[in-house]
Amino acid sequence: KQEVTQIPAALSVPEGENLVLNCSFTDSAIYNLQWFRQDPGKGLTSLLLIQSSQREQTSGRLNASLDKSSGRSTLYIAASQPGDSATYLCAVLLFGNEKLTFGTGTRLTIIP
Amino acid sequence: ETGVTQTPRHLVMGMTNKKSLKCEQHLGHNAMYWYKQSAKKPLELMFVYNFKEQTENNSVPSRFSPECPNSSHLFLHLHTLQPEDSALYLCASSHPGLAGDNEQFFGPGTRLTVL
Repeated sequence: KQEVTQIPAALSVPEGENLVLNCSFTDSAIYNLQWFRQDPGKGLTSLLLIQSSQREQTSGRLNASLDKSSGRSTLYIAASQPGDSATYLCAVLLFGNEKLTFGTGTRLTIIP
Repeated sequence: ETGVTQTPRHLVMGMTNKKSLKCEQHLGHNAMYWYKQSAKKPLELMFVYNFKEQTENNSVPSRFSPECPNSSHLFLHLHTLQPEDSALYLCASSHPGLAGDNEQFFGPGTRLTVL
């Protein structure tokens, strides 16, 4: 059974700093891994998707990496801004499976 | 706003009520999903429909009844719910058949409160 863990559960950093969010998973036979952002009481916004054959994806100030052998992914946010404050979720999709398995998320607060 | 819409956004119902949640996707996808998000717990997949056929039922109680009349619309019919069913219900869609894709896009959710 795939398990996805995100540590820490909450993180506060001053504005302008670079930061890294962590995601680990137990089954390395993944098809892809997605990072999402969720604002309070809202739905999920897809940030980045990394296919199993890829090592990283970049979008603006965001960079996501994937290391299947160690069962880890990181989301790097450069030059953080107060608008980046949200909960960040990672989710993995296994081969031959339609079920996304989610972590519990990291609640990020950027301090102005 | 994403290409996945959900109505209503908020719903309060008693345990004896019957209500329905609606989801519509405008992305041309052929798979649709219902997820439940409870406080302090990871998102849980409830149902998957692929080309209108249910392909997964994640051991969901029968008081939740999904309906998928076509690839663009998905409903979740609710009856005799319990207070512990209070949660954010999220709909998503994707295109599993597209090589190298299967990215899921989510709607804004329906915040359900069962009294």
